[in-house]
Amino acid sequence: EVQLVESGGGLVQPGGSLRLSCAASGFTFSNHWMSWVRQAPGKGLEWVANMKHDGRERYYVASVKGRFTISRDNAKNSLYLQMNSLRAEDTAVYYCARSPAGVPAAHFDYWGQGTLVTVSS
Amino acid sequence: EIVLTQSPGTLSLSPGERATLSCRASQSVSSSYLAWYQQKPGQAPRLLIYGASSRATGIPDRFSGSGSGTDFTLTISRLEPEDFAMYYCQQYGTSWTFGQGTKVEIK
Repeated sequence: EVQLVESGGGLVQPGGSLRLSCAASGFTFSNHWMSWVRQAPGKGLEWVANMKHDGRERYYVASVKGRFTISRDNAKNSLYLQMNSLRAEDTAVYYCARSPAGVPAAHFDYWGQGTLVTVSS
Repeated sequence: EIVLTQSPGTLSLSPGERATLSCRASQSVSSSYLAWYQQKPGQAPRLLIYGASSRATGIPDRFSGSGSGTDFTLTISRLEPEDFAMYYCQQYGTSWTFGQGTKVEIK
């Protein structure tokens, strides 16, 4: 069974940093592009970043470029999101999501349950 | 950036009725790289449709997707009680963007 379990969320002050993790199981992690998608309270979905299965390509939404860094450790079946210079507008539930194997630009076929990040003083 | 506009914002229907949700793109979506997701309160999104018209694994055949270019549609042929939820379209042909969502509520 495919499982994606996020952790690392919490309350952080504006300008602070946080590192999110996503532990994957039930599939060959190293075969899949992986993404982070967020959802502000009461709002819609926003794609944040994604990374190729081998780590050689990564992409970001414009609003987080230069502040967030996506990474992965295929040996640990884990995806990460390092978030620096956090702003109030980064407050959201952050989901880890998987794309189907072997597809470079794709939809998200499995999602984790999300971890809440709150940026507030 | 491709902007996706979903309509209507809210759809009020009764169980057994047909639901038709629209997703319009600001420019053509290449190779019909469009997906639909369902989200219920407090839950993660669930993939329904990808490639504009292919149903994801385990999705009932009352859900169908159609369209190409800039106009796409999600149809639920007969609403079941569990279908009342938020629905989002997403394009993945040029970067990745979502529509703002359509809420399907019980009339």
